[in-house]
Amino acid sequence: KNEVEQSPQNLTAQEGEFITINCSYSVGISALHWLQQHPGGGIVSLFMLSSGKKKHGRLIATINIQEKHSSLHITASHPRDSAVYICAVHGYSGGGADGLTFGKGTHLIIQP
Amino acid sequence: DARVTQTPRHKVTEMGQEVTMRCQPILGHNTVFWYRQTMMQGLELLAYFRNRAPLDDSGMPKDRFSAEMPDATLATLKIQPSEPRDSAVYFCASGKRDRGGLQFFGPGTRLTVL
Repeated sequence: KNEVEQSPQNLTAQEGEFITINCSYSVGISALHWLQQHPGGGIVSLFMLSSGKKKHGRLIATINIQEKHSSLHITASHPRDSAVYICAVHGYSGGGADGLTFGKGTHLIIQP
Repeated sequence: DARVTQTPRHKVTEMGQEVTMRCQPILGHNTVFWYRQTMMQGLELLAYFRNRAPLDDSGMPKDRFSAEMPDATLATLKIQPSEPRDSAVYFCASGKRDRGGLQFFGPGTRLTVL
């Protein structure tokens, strides 16, 4: 079973700061997801990565397959970015939309 | 805009009662997942289906949980009998295999077993 570790567990920062959340996993994967869960509980898929880097607005996700590591960056952070960010991976069992293994999440608070 | 829907959104029941949670995946999605979230364990995969066939239910306690897809527009998760340790938020998600695994989550069912 893949072990997915995230750091930090909790992060409080000031508005405008550059944020980095890290994720490492123990076994080779076919893809990695970054998810966002707001205080209301809804889960939104931010990125799915199998290599390289993706950017969407102020969010950037990178993955290094050899090092089994991914990072999620938030530039010019804003209080509305406050949420739990969850890293999840799926392996090679058939590829495509298979079940995910999740990290414990990073609880991010951006103060005005 | 297309969304995964789940019913009920909240359920409070007594230990020993049967609980049924329902999920309507996004039209055209051929893969459906059931996840459970607790404070202690975080998010865990319970079961998933592709083209209505169960592919993996190894995360599910077999003696009390069952998951089915009676048709392409409905997935169900049943707990019988329910126990207090089943209290959690249960999420359904759907995806299309040819989209490379991107999953769309429903709003969840918050279950409390007294």
